[in-house]
Amino acid sequence: DVKVTQSSRYLVKRTGEKVFLECVQDMDHENMFWYRQDPGLGLRLIYFSYDVKMKEKGDIPEGYSVSREKKERFSLILESASTNQTSMYLCASSTGGTNTEAFFGQGTRLTVV
Amino acid sequence: GEDVEQSLFLSVREGDSSVINCTYTDSSSTYLYWYKQEPGAGLQLLTYIFSNMDMKQDQRLTVLLNKKDKHLSLRIADTQTGDSAIYFCAESIGTYKYIFGTGTRLKVLA
Repeated sequence: DVKVTQSSRYLVKRTGEKVFLECVQDMDHENMFWYRQDPGLGLRLIYFSYDVKMKEKGDIPEGYSVSREKKERFSLILESASTNQTSMYLCASSTGGTNTEAFFGQGTRLTVV
Repeated sequence: GEDVEQSLFLSVREGDSSVINCTYTDSSSTYLYWYKQEPGAGLQLLTYIFSNMDMKQDQRLTVLLNKKDKHLSLRIADTQTGDSAIYFCAESIGTYKYIFGTGTRLKVLA
């Protein structure tokens, strides 16, 4: 089974802290994604990566950065957490190609206080 | 711009059929997907349809695609309480772009 694992299910951080969300996939997928999920807004793409050390901005990259030093690992970094970044964060991965199912991690619910 | 819209809530009685609707704007999508999200979990793929198909059936699930109207629907026959979840439609554009809808929360009443 494809597995996408996010390092934490729940996180509580203080405003201004630097926050790292880690994601690991075990299927040698080229593409990895970070989304945030908010009620009524669905999933919004923050960043994605199609190869090691490659990254592309999604729809809402402000306040976030990413790192992909190894193919299996994609990290989301909140440089200085703010309360409006309280959300559910979902990592996903997929192979390259046109019909590629995206496989999701279980999500990290981040609360910034 | 690219947009995928769904109604936010749907409530049905156990044993009835559920129909979840989705409209999208980008006609270049190659595949369209339905994902299910159970409480506290990530998204899991339920089914998908290629953009040149009209219909796909998979056990209790029927997907209908009207490409002219850019309308996608998911019908769940004999809906059970275990079907209560949030359902997302999504379209894939190119090799690594997905556009997700807002999600429809399905509540199944016993």
